[in-house]
Amino acid sequence: DSGVTQTPKHLITATGQRVTLRCSPRSGDLSVYWYQQSLDQGLQFLIQYYNGEERAKGNILERFSAQQFPDLHSELNLSSLELGDSALYFCASSPPLGDRGYSPLHFGNGTRLTVT
Amino acid sequence: GIQVEQSPPDLILQEGANSTLRCNFSDSVNNLQWFHQNPWGQLINLFYIPSGTKQNGRLSATTVATERYSLLYISSSQTTDSGVYFCAVSTNFGNEKLTFGTGTRLTIIP
Repeated sequence: DSGVTQTPKHLITATGQRVTLRCSPRSGDLSVYWYQQSLDQGLQFLIQYYNGEERAKGNILERFSAQQFPDLHSELNLSSLELGDSALYFCASSPPLGDRGYSPLHFGNGTRLTVT
Repeated sequence: GIQVEQSPPDLILQEGANSTLRCNFSDSVNNLQWFHQNPWGQLINLFYIPSGTKQNGRLSATTVATERYSLLYISSSQTTDSGVYFCAVSTNFGNEKLTFGTGTRLTIIP
């Protein structure tokens, strides 16, 4: 168990709808990352938050948005869903770099989104 | 952006065999990690290794930063080693914008 919790595990919805995916990072981790894994695109970085602030953006569509709350949990909102948005969405967290100079990334078990 | 290539794409081995997985990257990196995605989809962090060598049980990894490649060694393979192995790199020291390779799918046959 990585300590990163994602809910729900599965989500089935229709095109045009909006969904929210939730993530709780490991205790002590301030950074949260969202990744999308699809058959054609592989694992793609979407967005990173650090202690409530957006830190980095990757290939995230304008229809997608995220936020990190004061308790450090994060939500990824996907709207106007299309068939191509069907994928496994992962949340990951990592501690500050600190004295070790490195910060391993730990993933949750993912949310499998199916858009019909 | 940085390009990451992994080889071979697929590997089928008998239980007990050894294997070497390779990750080539197109630019200097300050962050390189290896992950194992098991058949249930879970992504497990194996190594943080932007340079040098590390070992953890039957697994070890070596990164030659000057030549832009990393190798993951699995010895005495077990069926639980099956899954997809990913290499992920970044020019940053932190984990922002990690770029993942396309992975090596390893199947261990009993």
